[in-house]
Amino acid sequence: AQSVTQLGSHVSVSEGALVLLRCNYSSSVPPYLFWYVQYPNQGLQLLLKYTSAATLVKGINGFEAEFKKSETSFHLTKPSAHMRDAAEYFCAVTKGQGAQKLVFGQGTRLTINP
Amino acid sequence: DGGITQSPKYLFRKEGQNVTLSCEQNLNHDAMYWYRQDPGQGLRLIYYSQIVNDFQKGDIAEGYSVSREKKESFPLTVTSAQKNPTAFYLCASSIEGWGRAYNEQFFGPGTRLTVL
Repeated sequence: AQSVTQLGSHVSVSEGALVLLRCNYSSSVPPYLFWYVQYPNQGLQLLLKYTSAATLVKGINGFEAEFKKSETSFHLTKPSAHMRDAAEYFCAVTKGQGAQKLVFGQGTRLTINP
Repeated sequence: DGGITQSPKYLFRKEGQNVTLSCEQNLNHDAMYWYRQDPGQGLRLIYYSQIVNDFQKGDIAEGYSVSREKKESFPLTVTSAQKNPTAFYLCASSIEGWGRAYNEQFFGPGTRLTVL
């Protein structure tokens, strides 16, 4: 069975600092991996996705993530945090065959300090 | 504008009542999904439908029911059998539900259900 672990339910960084949100996955087959962002009381918006092409994936709002098979990781980074990045971030995995059923991590709430 | 709409945004229910949450999409997507979100637990799949007139149970289907009579609509009924229904409910869709797992799921704005 697939699973996702997000290390750290809350992450706090200063404005302008590096953002690093951690995601480790478990999958018996090559996975597809996604990062979504959720602003308060809203739905989820896709930031980026890994689909077995390039291992370094660039997304919206300056975010990127690197797929590392040897570490079973897909950490999300942004070089310089903005106040508008404050939100909850979810990592998700789905297998490459059959029905597209996303398995989500528990989420990481990102706080930006001025 | 194409997208997913969910209504109502807030819903209050008395214990023992069934309620139906609406989800409509005009993206011409084949697949639709219902998720439940609780604080600190991420999103959990309730039901999904890959095509009209077909749907499958997700991980936490007990106490819920769905229908998929039209491509654009996938209503969720929370029945009185659901023991802890207070949660944030999210509907999503994707262009294809089978064999294209790299396709993005698009999410609606959600419905917050509170049982009084």
